[in-house]
Amino acid sequence: AQSVSQHNHHVILSEAASLELGCNYSYGGTVNLFWYVQYPGQHLQLLLKYFSGDPLVKGIKGFEAEFIKSKFSFNLRKPSVQWSDTAEYFCAVIRAGNNRKLIWGLGTSLAVNP
Amino acid sequence: DGGITQSPKYLFRKEGQNVTLSCEQNLNHDAMYWYRQDPGQGLRLIYYSQIVNDFQKGDIAEGYSVSREKKESFPLTVTSAQKNPTAFYLCASSPRGDVEAFFGQGTRLTVV
Repeated sequence: AQSVSQHNHHVILSEAASLELGCNYSYGGTVNLFWYVQYPGQHLQLLLKYFSGDPLVKGIKGFEAEFIKSKFSFNLRKPSVQWSDTAEYFCAVIRAGNNRKLIWGLGTSLAVNP
Repeated sequence: DGGITQSPKYLFRKEGQNVTLSCEQNLNHDAMYWYRQDPGQGLRLIYYSQIVNDFQKGDIAEGYSVSREKKESFPLTVTSAQKNPTAFYLCASSPRGDVEAFFGQGTRLTVV
């Protein structure tokens, strides 16, 4: 069955540290890729997405992600985190075809200490 | 403002009672979704609808029911058959099935 793996379940960083959250998916065909963020008490919102083109995509709040097709990966990065980045981060994938359901990773909880 | 409205934000029910969670969107989106979010389990799809008057079971549909009589509305009923109904429920919509989804604020249901 198709799946999405987020390798880090809990991450704790200090402000100004660099962030990389891993995301790997198991489907070999054409996929659309997403990172969502859920700040405490707020709704899920889109950070960035990849459909095609430049595999390095930039999102809101200084986040970026790189799609590496050969590694089935879509890792999220930020060079310097802030306390306000404390949130839960979810990777999600949609595969092409008739079954167009988002497949979600289990999420990574990020805590940034001031 | 355009968006997705879920109501209520908090809901308490006694065990054995059915309860309906509301989800309304004014984004003119065709597709709508219901997810359940539990700590450490990510988002699990309950039901989804890609067009009015049509819906499909997701991964954990047992004990739940939905309707899609209007494009803007996709209510979810948590029935007494759902063994563990206490959870955070998220509604989402998207223009079509293969692009990003937009989420509501969620409803936290507690069954006592």
